[in-house]
Amino acid sequence: DQQVKQNSPSLSVQEGRISILNCDYTNSMFDYFLWYKKYPAEGPTFLISISSIKDKNEDGRFTVFLNKSAKHLSLHIVPSQPGDSAVYFCAASGGTSYGKLTFGQGTILTVHP
Amino acid sequence: GAGVSQSPSNKVTEKGKDVELRCDPISGHTALYWYRQSLGQGLEFLIYFQGNSAPDKSGLPSDRFSAERTGGSVSTLTIQRTQQEDSAVYLCASSHRDGWYEQYFGPGTRLTVT
Repeated sequence: DQQVKQNSPSLSVQEGRISILNCDYTNSMFDYFLWYKKYPAEGPTFLISISSIKDKNEDGRFTVFLNKSAKHLSLHIVPSQPGDSAVYFCAASGGTSYGKLTFGQGTILTVHP
Repeated sequence: GAGVSQSPSNKVTEKGKDVELRCDPISGHTALYWYRQSLGQGLEFLIYFQGNSAPDKSGLPSDRFSAERTGGSVSTLTIQRTQQEDSAVYLCASSHRDGWYEQYFGPGTRLTVT
């Protein structure tokens, strides 16, 4: 039972353009959502998060949008840079154990110069 | 300062053997987490320690898996009687109590069961 899904295994974008990564969830108990970035041979690093009381959170080039009715969130990267090339994981938390993150399968983003 | 460290970085073991994986969290972090990533999959939660509270073991896949955290710092994940399906990258993370969402991950231990 995949409670957090990233349906696009990969995304290729030109440098300077927008990257949009999508994530869907099924568990209504989730009320906090996160994006992590992972480079090869390294552990994931926290990128940005959003609480369910908001529908948008922005940090520099990164913006996360949350649509609770659709149980959908997206990460926008503008402008995309070659250094953004990595695997991006969507994660969710909620209920009684907030530290327990449920991750999606990841999307490989490639930004071409 | 030093990040989360894990050892060994790679472990190859024969089916049926026991293995121990070690995690050294960031100093001062009260929460420690174990996840695993199987090939082509996302990260799967295994267990979560928060201070002196009872750990959340809800993600451990079977009773062959156990973990302990000594002195609120170093943690060891033990897998008994390893099976081929245990092959994965085992990732440890730590965080501040109030910063649970920003988990700092180590580089992982790649376990291969032959």
